[in-house]
Amino acid sequence: GIQVEQSPPDLILQEGANSTLRCNFSDSVNNLQWFHQNPWGQLINLFYIPSGTKQNGRLSATTVATERYSLLYISSSQTTDSGVYFCAVGNTGNQFYFGTGTSLTVIP
Amino acid sequence: ETGVTQTPRHLVMGMTNKKSLKCEQHLGHNAMYWYKQSAKKPLELMFVYNFKEQTENNSVPSRFSPECPNSSHLFLHLHTLQPEDSALYLCASSQPTGNEQYFGPGTRLTVT
Repeated sequence: GIQVEQSPPDLILQEGANSTLRCNFSDSVNNLQWFHQNPWGQLINLFYIPSGTKQNGRLSATTVATERYSLLYISSSQTTDSGVYFCAVGNTGNQFYFGTGTSLTVIP
Repeated sequence: ETGVTQTPRHLVMGMTNKKSLKCEQHLGHNAMYWYKQSAKKPLELMFVYNFKEQTENNSVPSRFSPECPNSSHLFLHLHTLQPEDSALYLCASSQPTGNEQYFGPGTRLTVT
């Protein structure tokens, strides 16, 4: 299967700070998603981004498929951004591969 | 996301019990998935159904038995589970397989 590595594994930010989360994957993909898992376990879709750049408010993401990585940018972080951020990738077929996540804590 | 619902949200069961998890999607998707999330581990894909047909079974023990009566409903039947099966079980759907997935809120299962 595809290996997915996320970094950093843990991140603590002061409210208002910016951050970059990284997702590296070991094979070509045609599906890449970023999720935010809240403390209750719900996975919230942030971006569907197999390539290119997208922005949604304070969040943006870039995927460079040829170099096999994706970045998630969080600007002006808020305490509600706390949680675990997952990257998931897939190629042909029905398999999806998740990374181990980045645990983000934003302190006021 | 309110498009995918799961019941129950919490379940405690003994090793000799039989129970079922239910998932329903209201998004008009044709593919549905079961994932397992154990503590400190990535999400593990268990089963995939595409147009009600099972297309993936990732070496899941037979004490987990999926059922997909139609494209909107997915069940996971549980029997004689082990304590190590305690985890968060997440259901997802997409249209069609390989595209953007949407997740339900999960069922937190504890096996005693």
